[in-house]
Formats: sequence, structure tokens, C-alpha cells
Amino acid sequence: EVQLQQSGAELVKPGASVKLSCKTSGYTFSNYYMSWLKQMPGQNIEWIGNIFGGNGGAGYNQKFKGKATLTVDKSSSTAYMDLSSLTSEDSAVYFCARRGNWGYFDYWGQGVMVTVS
Amino acid sequence: DTVLTQSPALAVSPGERVSISCRASEGVNSYMHWYQQKPGQQPKLLIYKASNLASGVPARFSGSGSGTDFTLTIDPVEADDTATYFCQQTWNDPLTFGSGTKLEIK
Repeated sequence: EVQLQQSGAELVKPGASVKLSCKTSGYTFSNYYMSWLKQMPGQNIEWIGNIFGGNGGAGYNQKFKGKATLTVDKSSSTAYMDLSSLTSEDSAVYFCARRGNWGYFDYWGQGVMVTVS
Repeated sequence: DTVLTQSPALAVSPGERVSISCRASEGVNSYMHWYQQKPGQQPKLLIYKASNLASGVPARFSGSGSGTDFTLTIDPVEADDTATYFCQQTWNDPLTFGSGTKLEIK
């Protein structure tokens, strides 16, 4: 069974950074892209970027360049996202999601709430 | 960026048929996908590439369309279908989502 388990909720101060994790199981991590997405309360879903589990090659939505940095640890089948210089606009739920062949997301983590205050 | 426009809300009775539309600001071929999201949960893939049913999704859900106009249909609607439904395109970069249609079951 494919599972994506995200780390717990974060409360961080403005200007600080936070590192979120997404531990996977049930599939070959190095064969897929992992994406990260942002959802502010009651709002739209935004794609931040994705990273290939095999070689760590990453691509970003222009809007999030400089804000988010994606990495992977193949040995533990875990994806990470660093968010830097946090402001209130970064308060949101962040999801990791496995990217399928045509770009859809077939498996999602449970989401993690990041509060900047 | 490609803007996906969805109607904000719909209300239907159980047993009825409902169609949820998604219009793209530019062509996306057939690279449109649909998700269901219930409060406090992660989105769940329903339909991929316009008309393909995702694994484990009931056949009550179907999708159609190509180019700029797409539709998700639920027939018949059940009480458990109360949720927000999002469309997503992956033809143009960056991939984008619609703002969601909140479906209420009367």
C-alpha cells in the first residue's frame, strides 16, 4: 500500500525557516516525482514544485523560487521541503503528493499546517 | 499561468445527476484531472486525463471534455459526495488548479 506520511504541525516565527518531511512507503521512491503543494484556508491549491526521487532533480513554480527548496533522501525514501524567510502569507497547509505519468497526483500525504506567528 | 474557472457552489438532492464544469483560459489538450476534497482531508484523485476513472473510484463518477471545456459528472449523487471538487491541468507550465466547486447534498 502506497503511503505518504508527513511531519507534524509547525508554529514558526516570521523570518524563520522550516523543513517539512514526507516519508514514503509501498512503492519504488526513485521511480517517481514528488510534488509539494500549498493550500491556504478555504482557498485554491498551488503547485510549489517537484523533485525526482531518483536523482534529486527539481523544478519549481516561478512563484516559489527562492521560497522553497526541495530535496530527497533516497536511503529513507523521504522527500523534504525547506521554506525560508517565512511571513504570514506562508501560513497554510502543505501537502506532498506523488506525481503520476500525466502530471496528476495519485497519492497524497495528510498535509501539515504551518502557522507563521 | 492557465486559469481554470469553476462555479463556486452547487446543491443537489440524493439520486440526482450533477455536472461540475471547468473552463481553461487556454487549451490543455486532454490533460485535465479531477479531485474530491472533504474538510480536513487531502484531495483524492477521481478522474485523470479528462475521462479516465482512477483506481477504486465508483463508476458514478465520470469525466469528459478536451481543449478548454471539461465536465465532471456524478450520477447518481449520494450523501457522501458532499465535498469540494477541484480540476487541475498539467498541459501548461506551471500546472494549475481551479478554485473548486463546493457540492452540497440537500
